[in-house]
Amino acid sequence: QVQLVQSGAEVKKPGASVKVSCKASGYSFSVYDINWVRQAPGQGLEWMGWMNPNSGNTGYAQKFQGRVTMTRNTSISTVYMELSSLKSEDTAVYYCARGRTIVRGDLIRWLFDYWGQGTLVAVSS
Amino acid sequence: EIVMTQSPDSLAVSLGERATINCKSSQSVLFRSNNKNYLAWFQQKPGQPPKLLIYWASSRDSGVPDRFRGSGSETDFTLTITSLQAEDVAIYYCQQYYNTPLTFGPGTKVDI
Repeated sequence: QVQLVQSGAEVKKPGASVKVSCKASGYSFSVYDINWVRQAPGQGLEWMGWMNPNSGNTGYAQKFQGRVTMTRNTSISTVYMELSSLKSEDTAVYYCARGRTIVRGDLIRWLFDYWGQGTLVAVSS
Repeated sequence: EIVMTQSPDSLAVSLGERATINCKSSQSVLFRSNNKNYLAWFQQKPGQPPKLLIYWASSRDSGVPDRFRGSGSETDFTLTITSLQAEDVAIYYCQQYYNTPLTFGPGTKVDI
């Protein structure tokens, strides 16, 4: 069965960086893009960006440009999301989600069909 | 950025009764070339990740009970739970995948 297993909770100080991992199993890793979505405590869902595990291509929401980096290690079917210059407002649960590829004309979009369990990142001095 | 809004913020429904959640997008998410609305609905229970219920505005994902029904087009959409069950207590989010950034509605909390 499809599973996305994320790394454990993190506590960071403002200005630090955090790297969250997402290990995929139960399907062909290279076929589906991985997206990252975060959820601040008691708040809604916010899309951060995507990564193609096959090519390594990425795309980031403008809000996170310059602060987020997504990478992968294909040998262990794992995608990573690193967020730098952390602020208290970055305190959230971070989810990875498998993206079922959707086409709109010549553009690629995604349908989030499987999600990781979430990783709490707490930023506090 | 396409802004998604939902109403109501919360609702309480008796077991077996109908729950109706509305979602509005700030611009059309209908792609006329394939006549598909790029709109999905998710269910999130406490402490769990979201679960995909509906895509293309009205197609149920695999294994989703048929009491969940999606409808609407262009900018106005509805999720209906035709006969609420206890396990349906959750927050429901609509989401557009028409444009990046992909955006979600603020959520509607459904209680018994």
